[in-house]
Formats: sequence, C-alpha cells, structure tokens
Amino acid sequence: GESVGLHLPTLSVQEGDNSIINCAYSNSASDYFIWYKQESGKGPQFIIDIRSNMDKRQGQRVTVLLNKTVKHLSLQIAATQPGDSAVYFCAEKEAQGAQKLVFGQGTRLTINP
Amino acid sequence: GAVVSQHPSRVICKSGTSVKIECRSLDFQATTMFWYRQFPKQSLMLMATSNEGSKATYEQGVEKDKFLINHASLTLSTLTVTSAHPEDSSFYICSARPGLPYNEQFFGPGTRLTVL
Repeated sequence: GESVGLHLPTLSVQEGDNSIINCAYSNSASDYFIWYKQESGKGPQFIIDIRSNMDKRQGQRVTVLLNKTVKHLSLQIAATQPGDSAVYFCAEKEAQGAQKLVFGQGTRLTINP
Repeated sequence: GAVVSQHPSRVICKSGTSVKIECRSLDFQATTMFWYRQFPKQSLMLMATSNEGSKATYEQGVEKDKFLINHASLTLSTLTVTSAHPEDSSFYICSARPGLPYNEQFFGPGTRLTVL
C-alpha cells in the first residue's frame, strides 16, 4: 500500500558483495511488481519487473523474488558496484482496472569501497 | 527508446505565483501520464492520473484546483501549480505509459520546485 516514511531504511554492503533489499506489499490483488532505482535528484529508473504468476525472475546481476503467500518481494543484486548506490523502491499494480502504481517506502543502498 | 522528459528541471518561484511543468514522451505515444510528488527522504506519492483528451483523476487529498493537469496530446501533459506556497516545494515527477498491453511506466527526470 502507500507509505510515507520519514526515514528511509538503509543497507550498507561492501563492494563486490551481494545485497538483498526487501519489500512488503499490501494488496493481494496486485498482479505486477516492479523494482526501481532512484539516484539523487533523478527520476526512478526501471530495474526489473515480475508478474504474479511467477516467483522468480532474473536479469543482469539482479534477481527478483516474489512470495505471494506472505506478500513479500525482494531484490537481489549480485557483485555490487559503487554505481549501485541509490534508493531502491518496489512498486505494485492492481490486477483489475487501476493503472496506477503504488510505491513502497524505499531502501537506501550504500556500497562501501 | 521510451524516453520521458520534463521541463524545467529546476524552478524557483515566489509565493503566490503559478508554475507550469511539462512532461513529454519523446519517442512513443502515451495514452496515460501520471504525476507524482516526492518529499525529501520519502517515497513517490501519486497525485493524479491523466488520460489524453479527458479530465485527470486526482488522488484523495490532492486539490484539483491547485494542481491543474492538462493532457492535450499523446505526447504532452502539463502540471500547473497555482498560487504556489512554500509547502508546495517538492520534487515533481511524471511518468508515461504507452497503453495496454504495456504495464510499464517510464519516468521523467523530475522537476525540483522551490517556493520562496
């Protein structure tokens, strides 16, 4: 569902390590999920998406896992690089009618050299 | 492909003035455009959904008379913040969707509005 957090959760990892960013969504009727990356002062950038009829999808260095039972979404980034430092948002879209995306709270990922 | 631009990228205005922000889909036709607002260290909050040729649908709590949205063509939507006040200072982001069966929205780079 919609969230307005005052403080972004943060995650710090060492360069080269893998990172996992988690997201809990609220609407069991959502059928499409997306992960976005947002760098400071820029708009969100599409990373990877997954439909509700799947539980895993892989891209280049990224994997999204979907657990509909507990309404949980995760983004795994392999071999993190300094350029991966950003805020990551999950977003969900309802199955019927609604075209809008509802964004999660966001997680700030910092890659330490 | 699928590039969305916004203009201006930054704007500073005096309290009480109106500011217009443009959102353009550069290489595709967008049947639907969305406007979001983002306060510092917060998530994107949907303000309104705009369909070409029809009135925008505003989210609960968003004043339609204050945030005027026009989607006059398949490649352009505008957001006008009327009688802006300091509390309207925010990062405004638009997105555009090509239309069904595409689910994905393509986001613009955002516009930083500062109201003095």
